[in-house]
Amino acid sequence: DAKTTQPPSMDCAEGRAANLPCNHSTISGNEYVYWYRQIHSQGPQYIIHGLKNNETNEMASLIITEDRKSSTLILPHATLRDTAVYYCIVIYNAGNMLTFGGGTRLMVKP
Amino acid sequence: GAVVSQHPSWVICKSGTSVKIECRSLDFQATTMFWYRQFPKQSLMLMATSNEGSKATYEQGVEKDKFLINHASLTLSTLTVTSAHPEDSSFYICSARPLTSGHNEQFFGPGTRLTVL
Repeated sequence: DAKTTQPPSMDCAEGRAANLPCNHSTISGNEYVYWYRQIHSQGPQYIIHGLKNNETNEMASLIITEDRKSSTLILPHATLRDTAVYYCIVIYNAGNMLTFGGGTRLMVKP
Repeated sequence: GAVVSQHPSWVICKSGTSVKIECRSLDFQATTMFWYRQFPKQSLMLMATSNEGSKATYEQGVEKDKFLINHASLTLSTLTVTSAHPEDSSFYICSARPLTSGHNEQFFGPGTRLTVL
């Protein structure tokens, strides 16, 4: 599975959009981009995934660049409860294993 | 959404004892469950892949005789930490992928915090 690179930490003001970047320059054509988050002392939670088109659900939006070498997870109106570590994972859809990197620690501040 | 539970949520034990952790998918079936370990301020590390009805597949560096995994049904996998030592103190998390899922979404349990004295 392709390796991902994320900034270790980010701050965001409550109510503002949080934009979390992820680089995956070695992604192959069959690999999807998945985003999970982990709130302190809890198990990770699935957020969203995509292949090449932008995706949106009730939690977030995922913007994937045309060359697919990077993506951005957008939380449109961050709340204090969105404070968590966000993991970007690249994986074949039929695969099983999720390999977690360091993630981005997002701190939403009042 | 699908729910995965773990029991116990927190356990403290003496060095040398064995601890069993259960992982259950409550409203879906999963042929495959995964066990992760997470040390403080670190990311999740996959320990093993648990397949229903067959032997688990362990990641490099994880001792299969120390971390016994049993996946007896489509909704239950157990991890037993045998002869636990203080260095085994960690946050153990399981996940399950629904049998019917068309993509790689996995549902995680809330985790079990193990403290070995």
